[in-house]
Amino acid sequence: DSGVTQTPKHLITATGQRVTLRCSPRSGDLSVYWYQQSLDQGLQFLIQYYNGEERAKGNILERFSAQQFPDLHSELNLSSLELGDSALYFCASSVVGELRSGELFFGEGSRLTVL
Amino acid sequence: AQSVTQLGSHVSVSEGALVLLRCNYSSSVPPYLFWYVQYPNQGLQLLLKYTTGATLVKGINGFEAEFKKSETSFHLTKPSAHMSDAAEYFCAVSEVGYDMRFGAGTRLTVKP
Repeated sequence: DSGVTQTPKHLITATGQRVTLRCSPRSGDLSVYWYQQSLDQGLQFLIQYYNGEERAKGNILERFSAQQFPDLHSELNLSSLELGDSALYFCASSVVGELRSGELFFGEGSRLTVL
Repeated sequence: AQSVTQLGSHVSVSEGALVLLRCNYSSSVPPYLFWYVQYPNQGLQLLLKYTTGATLVKGINGFEAEFKKSETSFHLTKPSAHMSDAAEYFCAVSEVGYDMRFGAGTRLTVKP
């Protein structure tokens, strides 16, 4: 158990809909990262937050947004869903914002299926 | 920009045989390098990491990796495979402070 909690574990929805994925980092970790894992794209970095502030952006679509709340939990919002958004979405946390000196602790992921 | 290439999307070995998973990286500055393992229906967990210092790093479960700057490689090895090693393995590189880029992954199968 990494200490990172993600909900829901599974989610099935229809095209055009909007969903919210939630992540609670390990106790004491200030950074939260979101990754998308799909068969064709592999593990893609989406976005990072550190202590409530956006720190880095990766391959995140404009239809997606995220935020980190004062209690450090984070939410990833996916809107106008398309079939291609079906994937496993991982949240990871780390103690520091400077990732080079730390490691990532991953949750078990939220599997999104868009029909 | 930083990137990693994992050679071989699938590797199959017999139980007790040597495990060798290959990773080459591209980085404009001295990189930090990582190997993560993903078991079915689980998140990724860290096997080992190279930051600075000794180029041969040892990780959990008997795995080790050697950083070779001249070859821009960070291959993962284990002398004797165990059935429980069957999983997907990801090499990752961190160049700047806020980002970690993962390779496409290598699925390891261990035959009895």
